[in-house]
Amino acid sequence: SQTIHQWPATLVQPVGSPLSLECTVEGTSNPNLYWYRQAAGRGLQLLFYSVGIGQISSEVPQNLSASRPQDRQFILSSKKLLLSDSGFYLCAWFGKGGGNTIYFGEGSWLTVV
Amino acid sequence: GENVEQHPSTLSVQEGDSAVIKCTYSDSASNYFPWYKQELGKRPQLIIDIRSNVGEKKDQRIAVTLNKTAKHFSLHITETQPEDSAVYFCAASAGGTSYGKLTFGQGTILTVHP
Repeated sequence: SQTIHQWPATLVQPVGSPLSLECTVEGTSNPNLYWYRQAAGRGLQLLFYSVGIGQISSEVPQNLSASRPQDRQFILSSKKLLLSDSGFYLCAWFGKGGGNTIYFGEGSWLTVV
Repeated sequence: GENVEQHPSTLSVQEGDSAVIKCTYSDSASNYFPWYKQELGKRPQLIIDIRSNVGEKKDQRIAVTLNKTAKHFSLHITETQPEDSAVYFCAASAGGTSYGKLTFGQGTILTVHP
């Protein structure tokens, strides 16, 4: 079966520090991968999506970037964090083997201080 | 782009009552409508979804209805239980290669009182 792993689960970072969140998918190949962010008490917002290695599309202008160095690996990064980057970050995948639906990873809680 | 409005923002019911959450969307190209349940501090979990080729779908105590003409869809939970208490999100996407590009509503905090 397909599984999605995301780490770290929680982190507290100072303003101006770098960020790297990693997501990997197992049990499938060539999945569509997504990064969402959820601000406190709000709905989820799509940040980036990728349909293949090296292919990244950004949905909103922001202080973050994404990369897909391998088929089942998706990374969210920042060179200098802002306070407004705080939130709950969720990786998600969609693939034919998943019943044509979208599943989320466990999420990463980021607090920028 | 797509805009999804969700109502109510909070909903309080007694155990055994029914709960209804409604969403409207703006993009007529949207044809995939999932509903997620999110417990505090955890990831959203898919509870039911519907595609535009059907008007209603049911899974035990949960049902979703879709009216494409009016661009709205609703979640119905019958015989609510305290463990149904959570935040519920509706979402919409255009399907096909855009399945995962979901636009979410703002969420409904459902509280079921024993």
